[in-house]
Amino acid sequence: DQQVKQNSPSLSVQEGRISILNCDYTNSMFDYFLWYKKYPAEGPTFLISISSIKDKNEDGRFTVFLNKSAKHLSLHIVPSQPGDSAVYFCASGAQKLVFGQGTRLTINP
Amino acid sequence: DTGVSQDPRHKITKRGQNVTFRCDPISEHNRLYWYRQTLGQGPEFLTYFQNEAQLEKSRLLSDRFSAERPKGSFSTLEIQRTEQGDSAMYLCASTSHAGGTEAFFGQGTRLTVV
Repeated sequence: DQQVKQNSPSLSVQEGRISILNCDYTNSMFDYFLWYKKYPAEGPTFLISISSIKDKNEDGRFTVFLNKSAKHLSLHIVPSQPGDSAVYFCASGAQKLVFGQGTRLTINP
Repeated sequence: DTGVSQDPRHKITKRGQNVTFRCDPISEHNRLYWYRQTLGQGPEFLTYFQNEAQLEKSRLLSDRFSAERPKGSFSTLEIQRTEQGDSAMYLCASTSHAGGTEAFFGQGTRLTVV
């Protein structure tokens, strides 16, 4: 039962362009969503979050959009930088987090 | 406080041996979580504590796995009679609230069972 899904295992974007990472969820009880970034051999690092009472949250180059009717959220990174190359996980849950499978983002110079 | 700390970072063990991992959460956090991550997957929930009480265990946590948080501070995760399928990254996270806030992760313990 995959409650949080990231259907794109990988994404390659040119430096300076916009990166868009997508995530779908099935549990309508989820009301808080997070994005984590993970480098190899390190633990996930919190990036940005959004509450279900909002449809957009912005923090510098990172913006998360939430479409509750479609049970879909996306993370936009603009402009993309080489240091953004990592695996990105979306997550949600109340007492515990449920993670998607992750999307490996590669920023090409 | 430098964040969530896990020890060891890497562990190689022979099948059938017991291993124990330690996690030191951020000091003011009362919730501590254990997750497991395998290649190509996101972290999967194993168990969590609020203070010293273990409040939930995943069905992923077989009876070979046991976790403790004796004084509501650090936690240990023990795996008995390790199997090759136990090879994974074991992640610890802590948070100060239930939901609505982000969990802070440690760097993980990479377990390899040979």
